[in-house]
Amino acid sequence: AQRVTQPEKLLSVFKGAPVELKCNYSYSGSPELFWYVQYSRQRLQLLLRHISRESIKGFTADLNKGETSFHLKKPFAQEEDSAMYYCALSDRRGGSEKLVFGKGTKLTVNP
Amino acid sequence: KAGVTQTPRYLIKTRGQQVTLSCSPISGHRSVSWYQQTPGQGLQFLFEYFSETQRNKGNFPGRFSGRQFSNSRSEMNVSTLELGDSALYLCASSSGGVYNSPLHFGNGTRLTVT
Repeated sequence: AQRVTQPEKLLSVFKGAPVELKCNYSYSGSPELFWYVQYSRQRLQLLLRHISRESIKGFTADLNKGETSFHLKKPFAQEEDSAMYYCALSDRRGGSEKLVFGKGTKLTVNP
Repeated sequence: KAGVTQTPRYLIKTRGQQVTLSCSPISGHRSVSWYQQTPGQGLQFLFEYFSETQRNKGNFPGRFSGRQFSNSRSEMNVSTLELGDSALYLCASSSGGVYNSPLHFGNGTRLTVT
């Protein structure tokens, strides 16, 4: 069955430190993966997706099919990065796309 | 462009009642998806509509239903409410024409069942 696992519910780092939010998935097929972010009092929004291979707000994520992982990384965390981060997998079975979300990781960047 | 709008923001209902939630997608978006968010289960897919047709459905009981209108606005209905239906219900819209078109989420409707 398709599943997304984010092993850390909470992650706390200091400003300027590197940060890595872990995401592992299981999916029978070619996966499409995303990171969504929710800042305090804001709506859930797309941060990045693996097919774009882009860096958004200094974050990058590489799909590792061998390890079935899609970890989110940033070399130097900023206080404004504090938010809830969700990894999501696109499941295209059933005729349309639906997202399977992990439970989320709350990142706190301390000054 | 205005974002995805969900109404109402908050609802309090009692067990056994039914409830209707509304979602207005971003102008031009034809796909509307609904998700349920709870502390225990996280975000779970309910269903997705495109051009007034339900294209996909998650693993929820038949008490959960929805529909989409010709202007792409969508409603979600939950009948015979149970305490476990208390959750934040999120609506998301996308262009829907191709896979992986990004989802744009609303602020959600927080439903409390007492």
